[in-house]
Amino acid sequence: DTGVSQNPRHKITKRGQNVTFRCDPISEHNRLYWYRQTLGQGPEFLTYFQNEAQLEKSRLLSDRFSAERPKGSFSTLEIQRTEQGDSAMYLCASSRDFNEQFFGPGTRLTVL
Amino acid sequence: GENVEQHPSTLSVQEGDSAVIKCTYSDSASNYFPWYKQELGKGPQLIIDIRSNVGEKKDQRIAVTLNKTAKHFSLHITETQPEDSAVYFCAATVGGGSYIPTFGRGTSLIVHP
Repeated sequence: DTGVSQNPRHKITKRGQNVTFRCDPISEHNRLYWYRQTLGQGPEFLTYFQNEAQLEKSRLLSDRFSAERPKGSFSTLEIQRTEQGDSAMYLCASSRDFNEQFFGPGTRLTVL
Repeated sequence: GENVEQHPSTLSVQEGDSAVIKCTYSDSASNYFPWYKQELGKGPQLIIDIRSNVGEKKDQRIAVTLNKTAKHFSLHITETQPEDSAVYFCAATVGGGSYIPTFGRGTSLIVHP
């Protein structure tokens, strides 16, 4: 068990560019969550998957954001036409059913 | 939706002292309350949790208490050590359905040697 991994760990991009992050959950965890965390705040829920199905999306997830979890394994989070307000830490977590969520180290996004 | 308030935002203690972090929640349907520790450059890590059918839970130097009537819960760390220095987050989760936690804003705990 290698834990939840996220790539890249850091991403610097220019406003208007598209970015994609990847999350590899703990194997056999059927639920996968994406959160956003800004400085001085707790993680804020963005969306979650149960297996390959995206079951809930927060209103924080504008139409510039899209997430996928093909085959119910890894997940990607894409942000199109990035804005400076998108700068944050993007955290991924996974769990088996309704048990403890295990978080990855996060991807820090900086939009210039 | 759920709203979680956490205090204090910063807590500075001497090694060996106790530390207490308090949280309140708004949704009486919340029934699961995890606490996370986040070290610099890392994701949050669960350190202890409590469910609404229990009033107190202890794990070595860490304990959590829950008062459902008042809608508040607290984290207690005894005999603090420098390695306890981190940001601590409380969260409240409404049972059933999505099971998505709502986090507090965090408490930065500094333990001075």
